[in-house]
Amino acid sequence: DIVMTQSPDSLAVSLGERATINCKSSQSVLYNSNNKNFLAWYQHKPGQPPKLLIYWASTRESGVPDRFSGSGSGTDFTLTISSLQAEDVAVYYCQQYYSTLWTFGQGTKVEIK
Amino acid sequence: QVQLQESGPGLVKPSETLSLTCTVSGGTISGLDWSWIRQPPGKGLEWIGYILKSGTTNYNPSLKSRVTISVDTSKNQFSLKLRSVTAADTAMYYCAQSGGFGWFENWGQGTLVTVSS
Repeated sequence: DIVMTQSPDSLAVSLGERATINCKSSQSVLYNSNNKNFLAWYQHKPGQPPKLLIYWASTRESGVPDRFSGSGSGTDFTLTISSLQAEDVAVYYCQQYYSTLWTFGQGTKVEIK
Repeated sequence: QVQLQESGPGLVKPSETLSLTCTVSGGTISGLDWSWIRQPPGKGLEWIGYILKSGTTNYNPSLKSRVTISVDTSKNQFSLKLRSVTAADTAMYYCAQSGGFGWFENWGQGTLVTVSS
């Protein structure tokens, strides 16, 4: 299994400030034949289903605000919210789809300081 | 935009079979790939399995011996069956459209299933 480990487990950020979430995979999720990282990010708010934010580690899903960005390659990835808004309070998950067993990170809770 | 809605019993007895259905609208079920994901109370997300447009299925090895995912094209639905459930199977169950290579681009609202006698 590819184990996905996120850090931190939770963070509190002031409105308008940057929030950074890290995700580390136990093995590389970079597929050499197409040079793509098989990693996605989701936002999960209480009472709602998770929402896809980013796939291929850095491709923003249609309609997702550009304050959300993904970066990284191989085993180390980052989700950045450049200017935190009140509506961004949620739990964020990374997910790898490189192996035949798709796995999620444990989640990072983002709150307002 | 594809929309999904889960349905099924909210309470299942231990050792019985959990059966859920996901109704798809806004898209043809046979042309897309589908997954089930669950979230136990207070815990993270766990992928259960998928069924591709080709009919190929793949399940989480931790559940593989108990899980079946199937499609009913006549009703534009796909379903989940989880046999021999225990309290550990209590969770919010989501159906989702698997986009492209393995991300989940559309989700149902989720349905809470409690395993209890």
